[in-house]
Amino acid sequence: DIQMTQSPASLSASVGDRISITCRANQSISTFLNWYHQKPGKAPKVLIYGASSLQSGVPSRFSGSRSGTDFALTITSLQPEDFATYYCQQSFNTPWTFGQGTKVVIK
Amino acid sequence: QVHLQESGPGLLKPSQTLSLTCSVSGGSISSGNYYWSWIRQPAGEGLEWIGRIYTTGTTIYNPSLKSRVTISRDTSKNQFSLKLSSVTAADTAVYFCAREPEGDDYADSFGQGTLVAVSS
Repeated sequence: DIQMTQSPASLSASVGDRISITCRANQSISTFLNWYHQKPGKAPKVLIYGASSLQSGVPSRFSGSRSGTDFALTITSLQPEDFATYYCQQSFNTPWTFGQGTKVVIK
Repeated sequence: QVHLQESGPGLLKPSQTLSLTCSVSGGSISSGNYYWSWIRQPAGEGLEWIGRIYTTGTTIYNPSLKSRVTISRDTSKNQFSLKLSSVTAADTAVYFCAREPEGDDYADSFGQGTLVAVSS
């Protein structure tokens, strides 16, 4: 299975901050990397697919990037509704695997 | 807008078989270029992809669960199902059904999730 390592495990930020979350694959996955966020008691929701494509309806403050096997999710101007847990997921090879998650909390 | 809804027993005893159904509305599970998937999440933990079924009925499973998992579909009811045999406490989790567009391979729609607990 492809291993996805996400960092940090948690981060504290304020409304209006710019934050980045990183995800590293243990082998090449091209651009087959997706980002989700999840609020407590809710299902995940996709934000970014294909490393950098914004899912329809997702605000443009979310963006994704890739450098080799390193991927980043950036949120510019964090909003109150963005405090959640974020997961990366590789879809290069089955079984799809997820990062451990990054919990974004209010400072 | 597709809508997915999981249903099934919430409490099982060890060694029993978990059986969940995902009812789909707003789209057909037997047409279009979509996979229909199951994903689970133990309490306070991350996400684990269980497997999926294509519109043609072709399935693929996570090798870690393959010996115990069956995903099937009932096109007349527009439902797909998950069976996981010989459950243990380690199978306690929230189970989500989801839709994955073919080629993009991400879950673009999820059910709300259903908690299945395994306890003696």
